[in-house]
Amino acid sequence: DAKTTQPTSMDCAEGRAANLPCNHSTISGNEYVYWYRQIHSQGPQYIIHGLKNNETNEMASLIITEDRKSSTLILPHATLRDTAVYYCIVRVSYNTDKLIFGTGTRLQVFP
Amino acid sequence: DTAVSQTPKYLVTQMGNDKSIKCEQNLGHDTMYWYKQDSKKFLKIMFSYNNKELIINETVPNRFSPKSPDKAHLNLHINSLELGDSAVYFCASSGTSGRYNEQFFGPGTRLTVL
Repeated sequence: DAKTTQPTSMDCAEGRAANLPCNHSTISGNEYVYWYRQIHSQGPQYIIHGLKNNETNEMASLIITEDRKSSTLILPHATLRDTAVYYCIVRVSYNTDKLIFGTGTRLQVFP
Repeated sequence: DTAVSQTPKYLVTQMGNDKSIKCEQNLGHDTMYWYKQDSKKFLKIMFSYNNKELIINETVPNRFSPKSPDKAHLNLHINSLELGDSAVYFCASSGTSGRYNEQFFGPGTRLTVL
């Protein structure tokens, strides 16, 4: 079973920041928080991951609370192409570990 | 220059038939996976191979038989297809060449069993 809970859906206006929350209260000390997204009819795509520090890359920012029990993915300027299902996943970061997907958050970006 | 490719993209077949889905990655990764996404959109791991060795088998019926002829390929053969096998099947790969051990997914194969 997935170890994360996310809202089922969210809306965001184009050009505004999209803040997607995730709860992972049972996360272990050696588990990372990963975010993937799945645009309609495509394979999932890696976005970002972190352990305890905030992270930023060209796609998004990841804010992890100090107790590591929750996190927020931030898309700073959402576009219509960011409409997708976003999955928050906790996993140990070695390359043979499976991804356990939950139900994710369906983000709808509107004009 | 597709990173992870799958063939075919669509597969429609009758119950009871045997079919195969092929996956190839050109990323130099040593681990490959098969995931299944059902009609309710749940994505679930089925198998994982590392250096051609099976390392994850998530209680999948033995009608499903993965085969990895080399590190760049992981094929999925399904015997005696059932209606419940209808789903989208995604292949993925990961390896030390990835910056963050992320998995790269293929475009999926939509299997419809009639």
